[in-house]
Amino acid sequence: NAGVTQTPKFQVLKTGQSMTLQCAQDMNHEYMSWYRQDPGMGLRLIHYSVGAGITDQGEVPNGYNVSRSTTEDFPLRLLSAAPSQTSVYFCASSVTHPPYEQYFGPGTRLTVT
Amino acid sequence: DAKTTQPPSMDCAEGRAANLPCNHSTISGNEYVYWYRQIHSQGPQYIIHGLKNNETNEMASLIITEDRKSSTLILPHATLRDTAVYYCIVRPDNYGQNFVFGPGTRLSVLP
Repeated sequence: NAGVTQTPKFQVLKTGQSMTLQCAQDMNHEYMSWYRQDPGMGLRLIHYSVGAGITDQGEVPNGYNVSRSTTEDFPLRLLSAAPSQTSVYFCASSVTHPPYEQYFGPGTRLTVT
Repeated sequence: DAKTTQPPSMDCAEGRAANLPCNHSTISGNEYVYWYRQIHSQGPQYIIHGLKNNETNEMASLIITEDRKSSTLILPHATLRDTAVYYCIVRPDNYGQNFVFGPGTRLSVLP
C-alpha cells in the first residue's frame, strides 16, 4: 500500500494563478480531508468528504474548491492564488468506524508570490 | 468539539518517560480523547485514543482521569526520534466528525 500520496511536493505560484493539488489513497477509505498548516500553527480543516460525490466545508474553505468523483482521489483546487494561501497542505483519509484513525500524506509546500 | 489545553513545549531526557498533559475540562460524555504527533514537517501520525479507561499500545500509554477532565500521554522510554509536536484532540465517536488540531506541545527529547 502506498497509503496517502500527494503531488506536487513543492509549488510556487504567482498571485492570481490557479492550480490543483492532487491527493490519492489506496486504502479504500470513505473519509478524506484537506488541511492547511501555517508556520507554528496547528492544522486547519479546509474541506472534507465522507464518500464519492459528497463534500463539505471545513473551517477555512474560502478560495478553495474540491470534488470527489472516486473513492481514491480528492483534489484541492486553488481558484485564484493569494499570498495568504502560502502554507503546507496535508491530505488525510480515514476509516468510517472507530477509532477513525486518520492517515496523512507527506504534504505539499505552497508558496504564493 | 471540546477544547483542549496543552503546554506549548516540554523537554525530556533520552531514555526517560515523557509525560504530556492535556486539559479538556469541558469534554462531553460521548467524546473520545485522541493523541497524534507530527515529526518535523511530516503529516501527523495517530498514536492512541481512549474514552474512559487507560489505554496502552506499542507506542504509548494514555491515562485519563476519572472525571475525564484531563489526560496524560506517556512515552515510556523517550528516544531522540520522539521529538515532535504532540496534539491532544477530543471529538465525538461519530462517523464523519472532524478532528480539530490545536497548536499542541512541542516535545524535545534531549541526549
